[in-house]
Amino acid sequence: DIQMTQSPSTLSASVGDRVTITCRASQNINIWLAWYQHKPGKAPKLLIYKASSLDYGVPSTFSGSGSGTEFTLTINGLQPDDFATYYCQQYNRYPWTFGQGTKVDIK
Amino acid sequence: QVQLQESGPGLVRPSQTLSLTCTVSGDSISSGDYCYNWIRQPPGKGLEWIGNIYDNGKTYYTPSLTSRASISLDASNNQFSLRLNSVTAADTAFYYCARGLGTVPMDYWGQGILVTVSP
Repeated sequence: DIQMTQSPSTLSASVGDRVTITCRASQNINIWLAWYQHKPGKAPKLLIYKASSLDYGVPSTFSGSGSGTEFTLTINGLQPDDFATYYCQQYNRYPWTFGQGTKVDIK
Repeated sequence: QVQLQESGPGLVRPSQTLSLTCTVSGDSISSGDYCYNWIRQPPGKGLEWIGNIYDNGKTYYTPSLTSRASISLDASNNQFSLRLNSVTAADTAFYYCARGLGTVPMDYWGQGILVTVSP
């Protein structure tokens, strides 16, 4: 299985901050990486697919980059609605696997 | 607007079979090269992909659940289902269904259903 490792596990930030989350794959996954936002009691929401493509309706404050084994999710100008847990997920090879999650909370 | 909705029992006895259904509305389940996924999240833990099925019937599962999980399609009712045999307390989780297409792995998700395994 391909292991996905996110850092940090928890991140404390303020509204307006620029936030960066890193995701590393245990082997080359090309660009086959997605990012999801998850809030308690709600369905996970796809933010980014193919490492850097924004899903429909996702604010441009979110961006993704990377290829191979190292990827980043950046939030430019954190908004109150952005406090949540973020997961990366590889879909280069079965079984699909998620990172352990990064919780973004209020400083 | 595509919507997915999970349904099934919220309580399952240990050693029994967990059976969940995901009803798709707003689009035909067999209208394209979609894949239909099941994902779960144990309380306080992260997301775990369980498996998926394509509209040609091909299935994939995470190795730790391959021997116990089965995903199927029911085009006549626009649904897909998950069966998980021989459940234990470790299978207690929120279960989500999700749809993907091509290079987009899972863009539409259900709201999730909590399944508790308890005597």
